[in-house]
Amino acid sequence: EAGVAQSPRYKIIEKRQSVAFWCNPISGHATLYWYQQILGQGPKLLIQFQNNGVVDDSQLPKDRFSAERLKGVDSTLKIQPAKLEDSAVYLCASSPPGQGRHEQFFGPGTRLTVL
Amino acid sequence: DAKTTQPNSMESNEEEPVHLPCNHSTISGTDYIHWYRQLPSQGPEYVIHGLTSNVNNRMASLAIAEDRKSSTLILHRATLRDAAVYYCILIYNFNKFYFGSGTKLNVKP
Repeated sequence: EAGVAQSPRYKIIEKRQSVAFWCNPISGHATLYWYQQILGQGPKLLIQFQNNGVVDDSQLPKDRFSAERLKGVDSTLKIQPAKLEDSAVYLCASSPPGQGRHEQFFGPGTRLTVL
Repeated sequence: DAKTTQPNSMESNEEEPVHLPCNHSTISGTDYIHWYRQLPSQGPEYVIHGLTSNVNNRMASLAIAEDRKSSTLILHRATLRDAAVYYCILIYNFNKFYFGSGTKLNVKP
C-alpha cells in the first residue's frame, strides 16, 4: 500500500514570497490533516478535512495560509506572503474516518526555510 | 483544553524495558489516547492507541490508569532503532488532536 505522498520535500524562499505544498493521501482515506512542526516542538494541527469539507481550521492563520482539497483526494496548502516564522516542516497525514479510533498515517513532510 | 504532559527526555539501555509516562488529567470519557513516535527527519509514526483498556501490539503495550488521567507506553526491549521522540496525544471532542512536545528517548548500547 502506497503511503502519504508530499512534495516538494524541501523549499527555500524569501520572505513575502508565496509557496504551495501538495499532498496525496492514502487511497480511500476520507480524513486529511495538515500540521506545522517548528524545530523542537510537536506538530500543530493547521487544518483538518473530511472528504472535501473543512472540519477544523481554528489554528490556521487565515490571513496568509489557505488550503483546499478538491474532489476529496489531493490537497494543497498555500502560504502567501511568507514570513520568517513560517520556517518549519509541514506534515500531511490521512486516516479513515472514525472519531479517534483509527491511526493517522503521516507523509515525510516538506521542510520550508524562509530567508 | 485537553493537554498532555510528558517528561522532556528519558534514557534507557538497549535490551531493557522502557516505560514512557503521560499525564492527561483533563481527559473525558470519549477521548482516545494515541501514541506516535518520530525519528529524525521523518514524519510521526503510529505506535498504539486505546480508550479504556490496556492494549498490546507488536511494537508496544499501552497501560491506561483506571481513572484514565494517565497512561504509560511500554517498550518491552528497547533497541537502538527505538531512539526517537515519543508523543502522547489526546483525540478529544471526537476529532480534535493535541500533540505535546513529546519525550525524547535515548537508547544506550
